[in-house]
Amino acid sequence: EAQVTQNPRYLITVTGKKLTVTCSQNMNHEYMSWYRQDPGLGLRQIYYSMNVEVTDKGDVPEGYKVSRKEKRNFPLILESPSPNQTSLYFCASSLVVGRQPQHFGDGTRLSIL
Amino acid sequence: KQEVTQIPAALSVPEGENLVLNCSFTDSAIYNLQWFRQDPGKGLTSLLLIQSSQREQTSGRLNASLDKSSGRSTLYIAASQPGDSATYLCAVMFSGGYNKLIFGAGTRLAVHP
Repeated sequence: EAQVTQNPRYLITVTGKKLTVTCSQNMNHEYMSWYRQDPGLGLRQIYYSMNVEVTDKGDVPEGYKVSRKEKRNFPLILESPSPNQTSLYFCASSLVVGRQPQHFGDGTRLSIL
Repeated sequence: KQEVTQIPAALSVPEGENLVLNCSFTDSAIYNLQWFRQDPGKGLTSLLLIQSSQREQTSGRLNASLDKSSGRSTLYIAASQPGDSATYLCAVMFSGGYNKLIFGAGTRLAVHP
């Protein structure tokens, strides 16, 4: 089954404790992206990747890192999480950006205390 | 600034009604427009993708139209059912920002029996 898989689905942690949210797609998609969704602000892009070893900042990249060492994986790293990063996070992918629909994972709800 | 607006924010209708959800965007130079459905606790499900060269797309009871010159798209849902209850999101990929989607705030739809 074609899908985008995120882990964990839920996480409660404390300020400053490094964490990684994994994202994996099994559709051989070139493009992958991370969004966060906040009440009143909607979905906003954090980082994106056009292909392996090619990543770039989105609209709200501060406090986040990403890497794209393999085509299928695009982890989101919070080196020193803070409470303002409490949010619902989504990973997305598409075969060719702009020409194919983007497919989203089920989301990861992060709570930073 | 490139923005996407959805009206109404919420809608409650009886089962069987045909309904229209509206999406407007501030810049007519777009690559594509995508409609999503989001269920509580779930990710986004892609419903329809309209390329900038297209006027409409259909899938089952759903029909989405695009009018770039006026900066508008509509999602038409025929013969609504309780299972259609969800939040519907409109997202635009603007030219010059082809690597990301700009989302509207969504329309929360409730279809009651």
